Amino acid sequence: ETGVTQSPTHLIKTRGQQVTLRCSSQSGHNTVSWYQQALGQGPQFIFQYYREEENGRGNFPPRFSGLQFPNYSSELNVNALELDDSALYLCASSFKRGPLDYEQYFGPGTRLTVT
Amino acid sequence: GENVEQHPSTLSVQEGDSAVIKCTYSDSASNYFPWYKQELGKRPQLIIDIRSNVGEKKDQRIAVTLNKTAKHFSLHITETQPEDSAVYFCAASLTGNQFYFGTGTSLTVIP
Repeated sequence: ETGVTQSPTHLIKTRGQQVTLRCSSQSGHNTVSWYQQALGQGPQFIFQYYREEENGRGNFPPRFSGLQFPNYSSELNVNALELDDSALYLCASSFKRGPLDYEQYFGPGTRLTVT
Repeated sequence: GENVEQHPSTLSVQEGDSAVIKCTYSDSASNYFPWYKQELGKRPQLIIDIRSNVGEKKDQRIAVTLNKTAKHFSLHITETQPEDSAVYFCAASLTGNQFYFGTGTSLTVIP
């Protein structure tokens, strides 16, 4: 077990609503990344937080936003939900020990369904 | 941005045979290449990774090779077992800030 946890496990929302997903990093990890995984697809990078600052962002609109807290836990917020936002949302934590040393471990994911 | 392509999308092998999955990447600056195994309904799990300063890495029945000149890397599984059946994803990253994933390979090992 990697130690990365996410909540909730499943969530059903209506189009136009807002949602907050939560992630607790593995102990000692200072970096959290969020991914969207549509059915049958690979994870798509949303953004990464390192020491509470956004450290990279994929090709997602501004209605996808995030936060990282001093204890390195993180939130993903999605506003104005669209049907295409239905997916598995994964967070992954890592600890960057050096320029080539940053293994990433995934949480179990939150399954979001937008109706 | 980085673009990672993965082939094949599905692969069936007989138990005991070898399986090879190939990925190409577009950004020559990418320097970290992990492979993940995802079983149905479960989280992706890191199974092996390779960094740009080495060309090959082995871990028991699993090996990964990297050709930086051609910008491709491959996963090799030898002596496959039914429990190897899963979806495998390759990924590429520059300094661990962003990870770009392939579209996945569904591996089936036939007993």
